[in-house]
Amino acid sequence: AQTVTQSQPEMSVQEAETVTLSCTYDTSESDYYLFWYKQPPSRQMILVIRQEAYKQQNATENRFSVNFQKAAKSFSLKISDSQLGDAAMYFCAYKDGANSKLTFGKGITLSVRP
Amino acid sequence: DTEVTQTPKHLVMGMTNKKSLKCEQHMGHRAMYWYKQKAKKPPELMFVYSYEKLSINESVPSRFSPECPNSSLLNLHLHALQPEDSALYLCASSQNEDRLDPFILIAKNIQYFGAGTRLSVL
Repeated sequence: AQTVTQSQPEMSVQEAETVTLSCTYDTSESDYYLFWYKQPPSRQMILVIRQEAYKQQNATENRFSVNFQKAAKSFSLKISDSQLGDAAMYFCAYKDGANSKLTFGKGITLSVRP
Repeated sequence: DTEVTQTPKHLVMGMTNKKSLKCEQHMGHRAMYWYKQKAKKPPELMFVYSYEKLSINESVPSRFSPECPNSSLLNLHLHALQPEDSALYLCASSQNEDRLDPFILIAKNIQYFGAGTRLSVL
């Protein structure tokens, strides 16, 4: 079975600084997708960034980028120039191509200090 | 437009009540999902509908009854709930295409979530 591990329950970052959230996963599949979702106190689960396993290039979306290490099964999220609005719970998630199920990590609570 | 709309936002019900949660999307998605989420925990999958047919039931108690009347609408009927059923109920949707176009493939695998219904069972 696929598993997603987020080992840090909480992190804090100073506004305008950079922070990296770690995620590892375990799978025997070759066709899969990885996601980072953000859930602020407003509750809406928002897709931050996605990565297709077959792509070697790391995904980037504005201030958000990933470090995808396929051999190490690692998928970390880097947030640059952190803003107060980045404070939220962040979930790493895995989905393989043949399955409808999205497997989530336990999540990490990110706080941003002004 | 990547909007999934859930109503109501909040719901308080007694253990003998019958209520329904509603989820709507107009993105043409043919897969829809119900999740249950406790505070500070990840969402837990409950049901998956694909082309308006129930494809996955994660051994959810029968007091939760899903319904997909059409491709845009997903309901969750609640009856005789327990206090431990109090949680945030999230709906999500995704494409459900089998074409091999790379754009369609990734779109097929992205789930878009609603803002949820906060349910309290007294």
